[in-house]
This record gives sequence, structure tokens and C-alpha cells, in this order.
Amino acid sequence: DAGVIQSPRHEVTEMGQEVTLRCKPISGHNSLFWYRQTMMRGLELLIYFNNNVPIDDSGMPEDRFSAKMPNASFSTLKIQPSEPRDSAVYFCASSFRGWGREEPQHFGDGTRLSIL
Amino acid sequence: KQEVTQIPAALSVPEGENLVLNCSFTDSAIYNLQWFRQDPGKGLTSLLLIQSSQREQTSGRLNASLDKSSGRSTLYIAASQPGDSATYLCAVRSGTSGSRLTFGEGTQLTVNP
Repeated sequence: DAGVIQSPRHEVTEMGQEVTLRCKPISGHNSLFWYRQTMMRGLELLIYFNNNVPIDDSGMPEDRFSAKMPNASFSTLKIQPSEPRDSAVYFCASSFRGWGREEPQHFGDGTRLSIL
Repeated sequence: KQEVTQIPAALSVPEGENLVLNCSFTDSAIYNLQWFRQDPGKGLTSLLLIQSSQREQTSGRLNASLDKSSGRSTLYIAASQPGDSATYLCAVRSGTSGSRLTFGEGTQLTVNP
């Protein structure tokens, strides 16, 4: 079992550039979550997909952020244009939710993003 | 709006001690509550998930309890070991479709040999 795979592990770029973070969830999981973690704000849920459909994106900070899930095995989180305050660790997680039960979320190792 | 608070923010204990981590939440209409562990530079690892209809869950040396009416959960760690050193986070699922997952700020645990 490969677990949740995120890429890249580290990204350093200059402000104004477009940043794309990628996530491959665990096969068979139907829920996917994008989180952001900073020292100041802790861990925040950005967006949650269920069966490839965005269910709750109220945590997305602003229009510069967008997320897609074109199929069950891939998701992207895009920031355009990037700003220094976007620097954080971005986590992707997946789980199975259905038939009245929910299984624990499995997290990837995260993408450490630095915007200069 | 759901708010989750964890106390204490940091805890340092000698090896072998039993300890309790606390989590409180403001909206008792929850679907479930999870306890996670995070090691430095790593993602989160789920430890225990308690459904809203349950009062506790156990896994090895870990026991988590849930009291929805008072908005509290505790994570009990028995016979602590240096390998238990990590940050422990509590997360509550709530909201209209159960889609919101709100995390506490975590308790940083250090178990000294």
C-alpha cells in the first residue's frame, strides 16, 4: 500500500509565480482533503472532495487558490499568483466515507512551500 | 463556528508515566472526533477515531474518551515511552454535511528517558 503521495516535497519560488501541488490518494478512498499548516494558524482545512466533487471549499483563502480533482486518483492545488504569506506546509489526505461510516484519514508527507 | 482547544500546549514527562491530553470543542453537534499524532517534518497519523455515538476507543496503550454534552475529549497514554514524543492533535468533524474538520493547535509531548 503506497499511501498518499504528494509532490513536490519542497518548492521554492519567487512571488508572482504559479505554484501547482499534486496529490495521489490511496486507491479506493473516495474523500480527499487539502490542508495548510503554519506556525501562526496551525492546521487548516482548505477544501474537501467527496467522489471527486468539491463539497466544502470555505477554507480556501482567496481566489488565488484553486483545487481540482479530475479523477479518483489525482488532485491538484494551484496558487496563482503566489505571495510570501502563502509559505506553509501543504498536506493532502484521503479517506473512505460511506454507508454511514467514516474511516480515519491518511496523510501524505506534505509539500513545504516557500515563496520568496 | 466550531472551535477546538487543546490543553496543555506542551507537556514534558519522565518515561513510564501515565498522562492525559485534553481537547475541548464549542459545538457539541459533531459527527466524530479524531486524535492524530504528528512527528517533526511529517504528516499526521490517525491514532483513534470516536464516532459521535461512542464514548471511548482504545488502541494498545492509548484510550480516547468523548463526552459530547460537555464538549470534551481526553487522550490517555499509559506507560509513556520516548517514542511517544510528538505533537498530538485533536480534530472534530461537524457542519451541515459533516464536511468541516476543525483541528486544535496540538499538544507537544516530550517523554524523557
